[in-house]
Amino acid sequence: GAVVSQHPSRVICKSGTSVKIECRSLDFQATTMFWYRQFPKQSLMLMATSNEGSKATYEQGVEKDKFLINHASLTLSTLTVTSAHPEDSSFYICSARDTRLPHETQYFGPGTRLLVL
Amino acid sequence: GNSVTQMEGPVTLSEEAFLTINCTYTATGYPSLFWYVQYPGEGLQLLLKATKADDKGSNKGFEATYRKETTSFHLEKGSVQVSDSAVYFCALFSGGSNYKLTFGKGTLLTVNP
Repeated sequence: GAVVSQHPSRVICKSGTSVKIECRSLDFQATTMFWYRQFPKQSLMLMATSNEGSKATYEQGVEKDKFLINHASLTLSTLTVTSAHPEDSSFYICSARDTRLPHETQYFGPGTRLLVL
Repeated sequence: GNSVTQMEGPVTLSEEAFLTINCTYTATGYPSLFWYVQYPGEGLQLLLKATKADDKGSNKGFEATYRKETTSFHLEKGSVQVSDSAVYFCALFSGGSNYKLTFGKGTLLTVNP
């Protein structure tokens, strides 16, 4: 099946630093990728929709200057958490839509655990 | 707007017990419905799906039937195993939603030996 990877799988950083998380579709092209944040008690929150070659679309309440998204190629989207603070600690998950398949088909990455000290 | 409501957990069962996790939805048009599973420390995996009314999705012993009249997509398994312990998400996708999936809040299932 289709594979989506995320790197790093976990990261610990100091407060005030920036962290970049990569999401790659390994065997398919993805013009659209999605970034989610998972809170304690498993609730998933869609943060933004990442479109190749254009600006990301952010959900209401998500700070676009805080969570920078770049989708520079058909297989890579990056999420940069700028000036990270402890409250940004969370599990971040990406998903990718295979351009060749029906719009509803998305493949999820394994997630990135971010801990900000 | 679209929404998904699933039963709150956690759900704790003994091995070989019957499982039901309820899911109801609100959507415009004719959505596709999904169950995703998340094992500890991992991302989400598609468990099963149904794209139209009365369709039954099935995988790994799990089943769910798309019921338009009750706007439901309940997940069932006749005999759970310890390895089924995970978080289960009900989700929907409908045209015009900018390709976004709408998720329920997830239900944590723990199966004890």
